[in-house]
Amino acid sequence: EVQLVESGGGLAQPGGSLRLSCAASGFTFKSYLMHWVRQAPGKGLVWVSRISSDGSDTSYADSVKGRFTISRDNAKNTLYLQMNSLRAEDTAVYYCARGGVVPMWGQGTMVTVSS
Amino acid sequence: QSVLTQPPSASGTPGQRVTISCSGSSSNIGSHALNWHQQLPGMAPKLLIYSNNQRPSGVPDRFSGSKSGTSASLAISGLQSEDEADYYCAAWDDSLNGWVFGGGTKLTVL
Repeated sequence: EVQLVESGGGLAQPGGSLRLSCAASGFTFKSYLMHWVRQAPGKGLVWVSRISSDGSDTSYADSVKGRFTISRDNAKNTLYLQMNSLRAEDTAVYYCARGGVVPMWGQGTMVTVSS
Repeated sequence: QSVLTQPPSASGTPGQRVTISCSGSSSNIGSHALNWHQQLPGMAPKLLIYSNNQRPSGVPDRFSGSKSGTSASLAISGLQSEDEADYYCAAWDDSLNGWVFGGGTKLTVL
C-alpha cells in the first residue's frame, strides 16, 4: 500500500523549532519529487516547499524562506522539514505530498505555535 | 490571495450536475497539468483528478475534469450527499518552482 506518514508536530513557542518527518512506503521514494503543504485552521491549502528526487534542488514559499529547510534521506525513505524561528502564523496542519504525475498526500501533522 | 482562482462556494441538489472553475496563468495552468483534490470534512486532501482529466483508481466516473488554455473545470454529475467537501485545483508554477493552489471551493449538497 502506498503510504505517507507524517510525525513530529506539536506545540512550539514563538521563535522555537520543530522538525517534521514523513515516512514513505509502497513506492520508489528516491524517484519522486516531494512537497510540504500546510493548511491553517479554517483556511485553504498552501504550498510550503519542495525537494528534487535526489535532494540536490529545493525551493520555498516566500513566507518560510530562510526559516524552514526541506531535506530527505532516500536510504530511509524519509522526508524532513526543519522549522526554525517559528511564528504564530506557522500554526497549521502540515502535509507531505508526493509529486509527479499522480500526486498523493499524507494524513498530516498539526503544528501549533503559541506561548 | 491564491495564485489560482476558484469560486469560494458551489451548491446543488442530489442528482444535479455542478461545475467548479479554476483560472490561472501561462506559468501554471497554461504550461502544466492541472490536478483536483477533494478534502472531506476533517480529513486530509485526496487526489480526485490528475493530468487535467484522469481519474485515479476508485474515483467514480461522476467526476470529470477539463482544461483549456489557462482555465480548467471540475464537473460532478449525479451529485450525492457524500460529495459535500472542499475542492482544490493545483498545478506546478514555473515562477514559484513549486505547486500553486486555488483558494478552494466549498461544495454544499442541498
